[in-house]
Amino acid sequence: QKEVEQNSGPLSVPEGAIASLNCTYSDRVSQSFFWYRQYSGKSPELIMSIYSNGDKEDGRFTAQLNKASQYVSLLIRDSQPSDSATYLCAVNNNNDMRFGAGTRLTVKP
Amino acid sequence: KAGVTQTPRYLIKTRGQQVTLSCSPISGHRSVSWYQQTPGQGLQFLFEYFSETQRNKGNFPGRFSGRQFSNSRSEMNVSTLELGDSALYLCASSRQPVRTAQETQYFGPGTRLLVL
Repeated sequence: QKEVEQNSGPLSVPEGAIASLNCTYSDRVSQSFFWYRQYSGKSPELIMSIYSNGDKEDGRFTAQLNKASQYVSLLIRDSQPSDSATYLCAVNNNNDMRFGAGTRLTVKP
Repeated sequence: KAGVTQTPRYLIKTRGQQVTLSCSPISGHRSVSWYQQTPGQGLQFLFEYFSETQRNKGNFPGRFSGRQFSNSRSEMNVSTLELGDSALYLCASSRQPVRTAQETQYFGPGTRLLVL
């Protein structure tokens, strides 16, 4: 079992829809969780961090964390074509940072 | 505030050669981590340096090495290059070691290495 698992996609949503990206992790001691966006040919860019159970909202992005289920998700509301990218889930397991393989999101106009 | 910088941005080498990549962290950041990213393996952790000391190391052969200087700049070296070393090499900086609770990493633009 991989330490951080994401659906590889591709996930395709129409413009204006909600995109839902999911991530599960295996190490129960993990305390910090991050979502990075990576455009093709570019480096990862931090878009959200979450440390406590529940929801955290930042503009069109909402991160959700459920430590009991070892599950973290990212919702993108009113998806735009510019949101088309690969989204990486990262988990700090108190030793180092582990990344999922990423979910490729395509937002169609 | 300047972000993480990496040099060079692109590099072409041949098998058997060695290469040195450089990373300058965000001002005030003392931790630098290196990652290798390939289409097949995703983002894999190489090593982390904090205060000139290697704090953690990923599962890579000894051909991959690094160091950190007193100004927090870091270099990584790959000796005896193999075709499979072709990848995007990313460095990321943070104020404290990555294992610190709620510590956030910021990535540089990466160095794309092609081994022929």
